[in-house]
Amino acid sequence: GENVEQHPSTLSVQEGDSAVIKCTYSDSASNYFPWYKQELGKRPQLIIDIRSNVGEKKDQRIAVTLNKTAKHFSLHITETQPEDSAVYFCAASIYNRSNYKLTFGKGTLLTVNP
Amino acid sequence: ETGVTQSPTHLIKTRGQQVTLRCSSQSGHNTVSWYQQALGQGPQFIFQYYREEENGRGNFPPRFSGLQFPNYSSELNVNALLLGDSALYLCASSSTGAGTYEQYFGPGTRLTVT
Repeated sequence: GENVEQHPSTLSVQEGDSAVIKCTYSDSASNYFPWYKQELGKRPQLIIDIRSNVGEKKDQRIAVTLNKTAKHFSLHITETQPEDSAVYFCAASIYNRSNYKLTFGKGTLLTVNP
Repeated sequence: ETGVTQSPTHLIKTRGQQVTLRCSSQSGHNTVSWYQQALGQGPQFIFQYYREEENGRGNFPPRFSGLQFPNYSSELNVNALLLGDSALYLCASSSTGAGTYEQYFGPGTRLTVT
C-alpha cells in the first residue's frame, strides 16, 4: 500500500521567516495531495491541496509544489506568524470516482518564535 | 451549512468492553471516513462508508465495524477493547461523485481504554 514519509518532524523558525515541509510517497498512482494543520486539541483543518495534473498551487502565504517524477511534494509557508504554530500533516490518495482513503505522514511540529 | 460533528467528546472504557462513536457529516456530503489518530502520529484510515455500505477498509481487525444511515451520519463500533485502542477517533465527510476531493474532519472523540 501507499507509504508517506514526512520531514522534518520538528521545525522552529523566527517570525517572518519561511518554512518548508517535505513529503515523499511510494505509490505512483496517487493523484491527490492535501495538507492539514492541526492545533493542539483541535481537528485537522485542510489548508491547501494539489492534484496530480498541477505542479504548483498557491494561496496567499501558503504554496504547495508537486514533483510526480520524484514522487515528492512540499508545503511552503512564507512570512510565518506565531499563529502558524501547529502540527502539519501531508497526505496522499488515489482518488477515483467511488472511494479514496488518505494516507498521512507522521506530522511536522512547526513552532514560530515571535 | 453545518460542519462535521462527533459525539461523545471524551470516553473512558475498560478492556473488553464495547464502544460506539457517532458522526454527523457536513451538509451536502454523502460519504464518511473514519480515522484513528494515536498520540504523536498521523491519522490512520479505518474504513469509509458510502451509500450505507463499507467502501474501503484499512488494516484494522473485524472488531472495528461501522454503519451509515440514510441521512449519511455514521457510527463506529469497536468490540473487545484493548489498551492499544486508546486514541483520538476522527471522522471525515466528503462528497463522492461530485468531482470534489476534499475531506473535512470532525473534532474527534478521545477514547481512553483502561
